[in-house]
Amino acid sequence: DADVTQTPRNRITKTGKRIMLECSQTKGHDRMYWYRQDPGLGLRLIYYSFDVKDINKGEISDGYSVSRQAQAKFSLSLESAIPNQTALYFCATSDWGGGYNEQFFGPGTRLTVL
Amino acid sequence: GENVEQHPSTLSVQEGDSAVIKCTYSDSASNYFPWYKQELGKRPQLIIDIRSNVGEKKDQRIAVTLNKTAKHFSLHITETQPEDSAVYFCAARTGGAGSYQLTFGKGTKLSVIP
Repeated sequence: DADVTQTPRNRITKTGKRIMLECSQTKGHDRMYWYRQDPGLGLRLIYYSFDVKDINKGEISDGYSVSRQAQAKFSLSLESAIPNQTALYFCATSDWGGGYNEQFFGPGTRLTVL
Repeated sequence: GENVEQHPSTLSVQEGDSAVIKCTYSDSASNYFPWYKQELGKRPQLIIDIRSNVGEKKDQRIAVTLNKTAKHFSLHITETQPEDSAVYFCAARTGGAGSYQLTFGKGTKLSVIP
């Protein structure tokens, strides 16, 4: 079945380290998103991309960067990780559909910054 | 930008009773309102959605209602079952054509007591 996958699934790192989270999809969708989930704060959009040459900042992009290497791959980087970036990170994809289409989420990456 | 408020943050109901989760939004231009369900340890998944040209939509035991004038929408679950226990997120679609994105509420943890 077509799916959205994320690597790694869990990561523990130290303050100041650079870290990359990767997302791949076999759904053939053009649109990809990175969200962050914190307890009691819901899902907050970090960055999104509507095609390979399109990158847009979301609500909480400070401290993060992204790369859309191909239609199927969208990576999130933390250049210098800090403890308050400890969270559950989700990648999601969607088709165009006039903007009404379902977003399909990956399994999530749990990141801990010590 | 868009602001989505969701209430309550936690909700406990007896099996077989109904559950209602309410959301309000701030941007009158928002015109698409999906609901996502996240079971413990799993990824969020779309369960129902509604467009602004519709006042109510049903799918078996779940329904969503929308009041555009008051800028609020609600999720109704009837005859609740233990498998309905999860965190539910409402969302509102914002942005113009080519920049559509979802703003999520902070979530409601629903517990169905057998």
